[in-house]
Amino acid sequence: AQSVTQLGSHVSVSEGALVLLRCNYSSSVPPYLFWYVQYPNQGLQLLLKYTSAATLVKGINGFEAEFKKSETSFHLTKPSAHMSDAAEYFCAVSTGGGNKLTFGTGTQLKVEL
Amino acid sequence: KAGVTQTPRYLIKTRGQQVTLSCSPISGHRSVSWYQQTPGQGLQFLFEYFSETQRNKGNFPGRFSGRQFSNSRSEMNVSTLELGDSALYLCASSWGAGTSPTDTQYFGPGTRLTVL
Repeated sequence: AQSVTQLGSHVSVSEGALVLLRCNYSSSVPPYLFWYVQYPNQGLQLLLKYTSAATLVKGINGFEAEFKKSETSFHLTKPSAHMSDAAEYFCAVSTGGGNKLTFGTGTQLKVEL
Repeated sequence: KAGVTQTPRYLIKTRGQQVTLSCSPISGHRSVSWYQQTPGQGLQFLFEYFSETQRNKGNFPGRFSGRQFSNSRSEMNVSTLELGDSALYLCASSWGAGTSPTDTQYFGPGTRLTVL
């Protein structure tokens, strides 16, 4: 079975500051890892995914994440936060044996002036 | 290319009623998955269909059911609604069965179900 832990249900940063959202996973097999973003009253939008091709994954809107097997982590970063980044972010894992995603509990990102 | 569409977007029902939600995947996609999102339980997997066959099912009671048609459109049904079924129901589509690194799920905007 696989699981995801997102540390920090709420994160607040200043505009222009580094964004760091933490995700740790547990999986008995090599995982596929994803970050999705959800804006109010909308569905989920894929930011990026890791499928073992490269440990540093670049996504949309300037986000990237690094897969660290030794730390079982897949933290999401963005060098400079923008007001439009304010949203809820979800880390998810699958095992590649189907389309079932197991999600973390989400991190609400607030960007302040 | 049009994205995943879900109808209706909003729905209000009373306890004991049943409801059917619809999902039209991206053209060419053969897999549809359903998720329930609530403030208390977060995002939980309901079931997955690929080429009209249910491949995976989450830990939900039998009141929750689904199906997929030959054109890949999917419906989910909830019978005997309970207050706790109030949630955002999200549908996601993918071209493949989730066994390839290139398979990616794209989500629809969801159906907001309120049970009174």
